[in-house]
Amino acid sequence: GEDVEQSLFLSVREGDSSVINCTYTDSSSTYLYWYKQEPGAGLQLLTYIFSNMDMKQDQRLTVLLNKKDKHLSLRIADTQTGDSAIYFCAESAKGRRALTFGSGTRLQVQP
Amino acid sequence: ETGVTQTPRHLVMGMTNKKSLKCEQHLGHNAMYWYKQSAKKPLELMFVYNFKEQTENNSVPSRFSPECPNSSHLFLHLHTLQPEDSALYLCASSQDLGQGGEQYFGPGTRLTVT
Repeated sequence: GEDVEQSLFLSVREGDSSVINCTYTDSSSTYLYWYKQEPGAGLQLLTYIFSNMDMKQDQRLTVLLNKKDKHLSLRIADTQTGDSAIYFCAESAKGRRALTFGSGTRLQVQP
Repeated sequence: ETGVTQTPRHLVMGMTNKKSLKCEQHLGHNAMYWYKQSAKKPLELMFVYNFKEQTENNSVPSRFSPECPNSSHLFLHLHTLQPEDSALYLCASSQDLGQGGEQYFGPGTRLTVT
């Protein structure tokens, strides 16, 4: 079955770059997503990438996809205290009913 | 503003109570979902609806009863819950099923069962 794994915790200093990593097992994955969850809130879609792309950049966010290694990463440039949250990686494939989520990585930004 | 709203935002109920969670999406989507988010666990998919029809029940206990009267509204009826059912219940919607499209989430209902 599908499986998505992430490290549980990441701590960075304000102004540094953060890199959150994710691995997945399903080679038929066609879409990969990054969601952000702030305390007491639902999940907010940050960005997504199609599996035929290697990279996608959106302002401070850069998504890198290594399809061969089934590895996805999210880089946040110039990390701010407002970026402190839990970040979820998720994947889906055509014909599958719902997304498969990782356990989430808690990002803590130190001032 | 996510376009998906949930009420109530917080709910405390006893094990013998009956309550309902409500979700509404204003995005014109056709598919809606209920997820359970417990501490230190991945999101658990509970139910999936497409065009008001239930397409997936992920082995959810019968004390959780979903209802989807139309494509914009989704309910989760709760009765005789257990303390381990305390969690954040998230509703989501997507344009279609099976196309791998992104899902948009509501803010969740924080449920505490006493």
